[in-house]
Amino acid sequence: QVQLVESGGDVVQPGRSLRLSCAASGFAFSSYGMHWVRQAPGKGLESVAIISKDGSNKYYTDSVKGRFTISRDNSKNTLYLQMNSLRLEDTALYYCAKDAYYSSGTYFDYWGQGTLVTVSP
Amino acid sequence: DIVMTQSPDSLAVSLGERATINCKSSQSVLYSSNKKNYLAWYQQKPGQPPKLLIYWASTRESGVPDRFSGSGSGTDFTLTISSLQAEDVAVYYCQQFYGTPQLSFGGGTKVEIK
Repeated sequence: QVQLVESGGDVVQPGRSLRLSCAASGFAFSSYGMHWVRQAPGKGLESVAIISKDGSNKYYTDSVKGRFTISRDNSKNTLYLQMNSLRLEDTALYYCAKDAYYSSGTYFDYWGQGTLVTVSP
Repeated sequence: DIVMTQSPDSLAVSLGERATINCKSSQSVLYSSNKKNYLAWYQQKPGQPPKLLIYWASTRESGVPDRFSGSGSGTDFTLTISSLQAEDVAVYYCQQFYGTPQLSFGGGTKVEIK
């Protein structure tokens, strides 16, 4: 069965950095695009970053461009999100999600449980 | 960017009654070459991640009860729960993937029991 397990969330001060990880199992990780989606407390869902199956193509929502970097290690079946220059508005539950297709940006057929990032002075 | 607007923000429905959620996109998400609507629906129960219910606007994900159905085309879509069950209490989101890689969600609709 497909499993996505996020880790790395923490409480950090504005301007600091954090690295999230997502360990994937139960499917051919290197064959699918992967996503980070976040949800601020009590709010809706926001697509943050997308990476193609081989890591050659990456896309970011405008609010994180230049600050966040998505990457993957297909040998370790792991997805990453490096988050720099964190802001108060980055506070959210960050989900790792699997793309339903071999391409990078369709819909999400599996989600992890999420890891909480809190940015606080 | 394609903006997704859901209505209502919340609704309360009696057990066994029909629940209808609307989703409108700021531009068509119907791809003319394959006649597919690039729209999905998710269910998020409290304390849980979202769960895929419907994709291509009307295709039910494996294992999803048939009381859930999706309809619509172009810019206007509907998620219908034909007979609301207690376990359907959740927030429901629509999502477009026509504008990929710019993916966007609706604001969510909270479904409660009346």
